Amino acid sequence: GESVGLHLPTLSVQEGDNSIINCAYSNSASDYFIWYKQESGKGPQFIIDIRSNMDKRQGQRVTVLLNKTVKHLSLQIAATQPGDSAVYFCAENHSYSGGGADGLTFGKGTHLIIQP
Amino acid sequence: DTEVTQTPKHLVMGMTNKKSLKCEQHMGHRAMYWYKQKAKKPPELMFVYSYEKLSINESVPSRFSPECPNSSLLNLHLHALQPEDSALYLCASSSGVLRSNEKLFFGSGTQLSVL
Repeated sequence: GESVGLHLPTLSVQEGDNSIINCAYSNSASDYFIWYKQESGKGPQFIIDIRSNMDKRQGQRVTVLLNKTVKHLSLQIAATQPGDSAVYFCAENHSYSGGGADGLTFGKGTHLIIQP
Repeated sequence: DTEVTQTPKHLVMGMTNKKSLKCEQHMGHRAMYWYKQKAKKPPELMFVYSYEKLSINESVPSRFSPECPNSSLLNLHLHALQPEDSALYLCASSSGVLRSNEKLFFGSGTQLSVL
């Protein structure tokens, strides 16, 4: 099965409220996590990342929290705006044996809907 | 320039056709990737090139053939595809290996329809 997943396929929030998108992962060896935003017709856009030696990282209006004990990742968006409407994916670094470049394994995605 | 450029944006092809998807980046990145994304699904890794050498092939059928002519270009050659191969094909690049905090930059993708 997938090593990264999400709890909710759709999240609807009022404009101006805070949004929290959750993600669970199963590979305890993963050491790098990323949140991506994908708008319709576009490729995934990097939002924020966090390494496993941290439990919180803040960006502009976004915060990522990492709980390694329960293998849980969350993305918090403050003061949600209409432009935040998109599908949000968490992703984990997928390490391969033999060195070289790695790949990312994506979770199922959450569609964030902003209500006026 | 922080863009990954993919062409064409849309492609319709028959099952007997041969076509190629192209990807270009000028960020000096040394790792490039092909992902496949079906509608309402997450991207799935297909291939990874590291320093112009194929380092990962996620058991992709041979009807998909990647090529990395140089460090800025990545192609995906398509031949004898099936209708179920219809999807959004995403190219991405990163400066180096991801576990070194190197971000993955995606292009906008090629929407492929196989008839």
